[in-house]
Amino acid sequence: QKEVEQNSGPLSVPEGAIASLNCTYSDRGSQSFFWYRQYSGKSPELIMFIYSNGDKEDGRFTAQLNKASQYVSLLIRDSQPSDSATYLCAVLNDMKTSYDKVIFGPGTSLSVIP
Amino acid sequence: ETGVTQTPRHLVMGMTNKKSLKCEQHLGHNAMYWYKQSAKKPLELMFVYNFKEQTENNSVPSRFSPECPNSSHLFLHLHTLQPEDSALYLCASSPWTGIDGYTFGSGTRLTVV
Repeated sequence: QKEVEQNSGPLSVPEGAIASLNCTYSDRGSQSFFWYRQYSGKSPELIMFIYSNGDKEDGRFTAQLNKASQYVSLLIRDSQPSDSATYLCAVLNDMKTSYDKVIFGPGTSLSVIP
Repeated sequence: ETGVTQTPRHLVMGMTNKKSLKCEQHLGHNAMYWYKQSAKKPLELMFVYNFKEQTENNSVPSRFSPECPNSSHLFLHLHTLQPEDSALYLCASSPWTGIDGYTFGSGTRLTVV
């Protein structure tokens, strides 16, 4: 069973701090890694994706990938109350067939305290 | 309209009813997906369509029946559902594979009574 695991939280950080969200995955053949943000009562919104080992930065967000350790993380710098949401880690498994399948983790709830 | 549109936003149905969920994407994508999101559980993939052809049925009970008449429209037909089927049903689309991520619709909150 291919799995994606995240700490459910809630993770609480003060406004202006760095929030660190972590994710591990079981399938070594995984190719693409995603972070989605989901506000309460809303649908998931893609905020970052990463394919290669290392860091990828986009504004206040940095995704980090370590394929050897099967680990992907999301750092949010200068956290704002508007960042309070559930963050879903998702992994695209090896496309051995004609279609792809994205597996989602259970999500980590982040609360940024003013 | 832009993005991925789902209707209705909310649906309450009895266990003997038949209803349909509709999804329409205005992004020119060729792959569409149905996901189920239950409380405290990860998003569960239900169906995948690539270029109108169903390429994945993730062991979904037959009381859920998908239909994809073209690359822009996706339906989920529901009949004789159970209370445990109550959940948020999300439609998503991608260009042709999910390698760059999905665009999700706003979802249909389904309650089976």
